[in-house]
Amino acid sequence: EPEVTQTPSHQVTQMGQEVILRCVPISNHLYFYWYRQILGQKVEFLVSFYNNEISEKSEIFDDQFSVERPDGSNFTLKIRSTKLEDSAMYFCASSGTGGREKLFFGSGTQLSVL
Amino acid sequence: AQSVTQLDSQVPVFEEAPVELRCNYSSSVSVYLFWYVQYPNQGLQLLLKYLSGSTLVKGINGFEAEFNKSQTSFHLRKPSVHISDTAEYFCAVSDFGGYQKVTFGIGTKLQVIP
Repeated sequence: EPEVTQTPSHQVTQMGQEVILRCVPISNHLYFYWYRQILGQKVEFLVSFYNNEISEKSEIFDDQFSVERPDGSNFTLKIRSTKLEDSAMYFCASSGTGGREKLFFGSGTQLSVL
Repeated sequence: AQSVTQLDSQVPVFEEAPVELRCNYSSSVSVYLFWYVQYPNQGLQLLLKYLSGSTLVKGINGFEAEFNKSQTSFHLRKPSVHISDTAEYFCAVSDFGGYQKVTFGIGTKLQVIP
């Protein structure tokens, strides 16, 4: 089965630093997502991306967050100035046709903000 | 807005016994329903989904779920669990929109006891 690839698997950063989490979605997919899971809590939607623009975002996705598809294969999440509460597992996902199809999730990037 | 309630945070069950993981949802529109599984240190993997048609849905690894519209439930069942089923299970919902977000429940930890 095709896979969504996320790098790095672990990222440690100092509070206030910028981080970029990288994802390679499945090649023919059109919809891209970022979710996060704070330890012990539910998986939360951050943002969806389609046709080179954000299609929906949650309240969590404030001005400190941005997403980009810089080329035909990568999909990135940038946190401009990390806070302690940004520590979480971040999952990238992609799908072919959005909500009707299953989301293919990557294995996640564990972000630790110190 | 959609929401998902998973009534049990942890479910211990003996190996080869049956199990039911409960899920209720609320939404003002028609929805798609999903169950995802997360094995330790791995990403989310789709177990099964309900889009339309038969209310009994069969998924991977011997799991099945039944959509009950009147009770707004989508409970997950397996007639005989195995040690390898130990994982966290997430119920999720998305609406009929083309690229709408998936809303997850808080998860149920299934602990299979040998």
